[in-house]
Amino acid sequence: EVQLVESGGGLVQPGGSLRLSCRGSGFTFSDHYIDWVRQAPGKGLEWVGRSRNKANRYSTEYAASVKGRFILSRDVSNDSVFLQMNSLKTEDTAVYFCARDLQESPDHWGQGTLVAVSS
Amino acid sequence: DIQMTQSPSSLSASVGDRVTITCRASQGIRNDLGWYQQKPGKAPKRLIYVASSLQSGVPSRFSGSGSGTEFTLTISSLQPEDFATYFCLQHNNYPLTFGGGTKVEIK
Repeated sequence: EVQLVESGGGLVQPGGSLRLSCRGSGFTFSDHYIDWVRQAPGKGLEWVGRSRNKANRYSTEYAASVKGRFILSRDVSNDSVFLQMNSLKTEDTAVYFCARDLQESPDHWGQGTLVAVSS
Repeated sequence: DIQMTQSPSSLSASVGDRVTITCRASQGIRNDLGWYQQKPGKAPKRLIYVASSLQSGVPSRFSGSGSGTEFTLTISSLQPEDFATYFCLQHNNYPLTFGGGTKVEIK
């Protein structure tokens, strides 16, 4: 069974940092792109970034709203993707989901982890 | 960025009704579009990929159509478990962009 599990969310002050983790199981993790998508309270979905697969050298893409502040990386030995979030702003408050891509769009999603940025 | 305009933003319907939701892209995206269902407090679930392919395990009452700039999601006979919010997502170009969502409520 395909599973993705996020962790690392929590409360952080503006300007602070947080690292989210997404661990996959039930599939060959290195074969797949992994997307991060966030949802602010009561709002719609916003794509945050993408970690491509091994064949594409785990290259990355970011939304303009997070570029230069957020960094994606992979731990290939533990089938995990990390989202390092720096210089956090109140508008980054959201539930963060990771999702596996199939046919270049997310098919399986994790349950999400809440990030709250507040003083 | 490609803007995805989804309509309506909400609708009220009865069990058994046929429901249609539309997404319009600000530029052509071929068939690089997916449809998702989200229930409160849950992760989105993919229903349709590449505009018209049914995700495995999704009931056949869901269907998608369109290409280029106009896409539709149709639920042929609404069931109680279908009351949820629906989103489209374009993956033709970065950044990936979602429609604003359609909340389907009980009439």
